[in-house]
Amino acid sequence: TAGITQAPTSQILAAGRSMTLRCTQDMRHNAMYWYRQDLGLGLRLIHYSNTAGTTGKGEVPDGYSVSRANTDDFPLTLASAVPSQTSVYFCASSDGRTGNSPLHFGNGTRLTVT
Amino acid sequence: GQNIDQPTEMTATEGAIVQINCTYQTSGFNGLFWYQQHAGEAPTFLSYNVLDGLEEKGRFSSFLSRSKGYSYLLLKELQMKDSASYLCAVRDSNYQLIWGAGTKLIIKP
Repeated sequence: TAGITQAPTSQILAAGRSMTLRCTQDMRHNAMYWYRQDLGLGLRLIHYSNTAGTTGKGEVPDGYSVSRANTDDFPLTLASAVPSQTSVYFCASSDGRTGNSPLHFGNGTRLTVT
Repeated sequence: GQNIDQPTEMTATEGAIVQINCTYQTSGFNGLFWYQQHAGEAPTFLSYNVLDGLEEKGRFSSFLSRSKGYSYLLLKELQMKDSASYLCAVRDSNYQLIWGAGTKLIIKP
C-alpha cells in the first residue's frame, strides 16, 4: 500500500542518548516534513525539505537534525535527547508546498525520554 | 503572531449535525485545510478551501470567509465513527502551514 512508513512505532529513550526516527515514502512526493504533536498544542513543524538535497528549519528545530539524501527518505535525529522531547512525532509528505497539495502523514512515533 | 482558534471539545448526538468553527489570524493566506485525526492515529485530509464559500463532500462540508478570517466544518448525519479530533490549518504567505490545536468531537448515541 502506497504511503508513508515511520519506524519505530514507539520508543523509550534515556536522556542524553541519541536516536534516529525513520521515515520513508513511496509516493514520489517532493516535499517532506517532521512535526511533533503535544497535548493541547497544534502540530509544530520541526524541519522540512522541499526536494531531495535541501532542508529547512521549522518552528521548533533546536535539538533535531534532518537529512534528505534521496526523494524517499527523511530521517530525523535527536543528538542528545532531553525529557522535553517526549512527544508524538509525525512525518508527512506532499506533492508540493503550494496550492491545494494536502499533507499525507505517517502513523507516528511515540517517543518518551526519561 | 499567528494564531488559529478552535473549540477544545464538542459533544453531539448520533444522527445530528455539528459545526466546528475555526478562526485565524495569519500573515497572509494561501488556503485552509481540515484534517480528521482519530485517537492514536495520523491526521487524514478532509477538505481544502482557498476561495470564499462552501465546499461539499458527502456528509462533510467546509466553509470559508477570508474577510472574517473564519472557517467551519459541518458534519451531517453524525455516525459514531466521526468521534475524532478535527484540525484546522492555514497556509500563510510563506506557504507554511499553521495548525490549530484541534477540536475533539464526542458523539453520543
